[in-house]
Amino acid sequence: NAGVMQNPRHLVRRRGQEARLRCSPMKGHSHVYWYRQLPEEGLKFMVYLQKENIIDESGMPKERFSAEFPKEGPSILRIQQVVRGDSAAYFCASSPSSYNEQFFGPGTRLTVL
Amino acid sequence: GENVEQHPSTLSVQEGDSAVIKCTYSDSASNYFPWYKQELGKRPQLIIDIRSNVGEKKDQRIAVTLNKTAKHFSLHITETQPEDSAVYFCAASYDTGRRALTFGSGTRLQVQP
Repeated sequence: NAGVMQNPRHLVRRRGQEARLRCSPMKGHSHVYWYRQLPEEGLKFMVYLQKENIIDESGMPKERFSAEFPKEGPSILRIQQVVRGDSAAYFCASSPSSYNEQFFGPGTRLTVL
Repeated sequence: GENVEQHPSTLSVQEGDSAVIKCTYSDSASNYFPWYKQELGKRPQLIIDIRSNVGEKKDQRIAVTLNKTAKHFSLHITETQPEDSAVYFCAASYDTGRRALTFGSGTRLQVQP
């Protein structure tokens, strides 16, 4: 059973460009979460999705950030018009429906030049 | 919302000694408390978790205790080994409803050989 997959692992963008981060949950997991980790800091919740639904986006910045988890395919975290402050590691986690054990992917390290 | 505080921020022990990391949470509705280990540049890995209907849980050299009345929980690692060196994060959430994990700020554990 493959773990949570994320791609790309590293992403470099210039200020003003768009970043798209992808996450494929573990097989059998229908819940996806996105977290952001700034250097030397803890993980901060951004958004929680189930297939085709955003359940909780209370941690997501109001502008430039969006997330989706379509019926088919991976979950996408999209950052428009990136700024240097967006540089961070973005982790995706997934869990089964019954319990809240969250398993993390390897992360995408975004660098904004 | 939930707030999780974690202490100490750094911990250095000699190989073979025990290590204890403590966390407190603010939301009495939280009922799920996982612990994650994160090595440098790697994903957070779930090492043990506990639910509010249990006071203690053990898995080999690792144990977690929960005091619901005082709203605090602790990670205990016995017979530490150099490979235990990492950053450890505690977290809190609900099993249903608000499933997003609120993380503590992390403890950097260094096990000296």
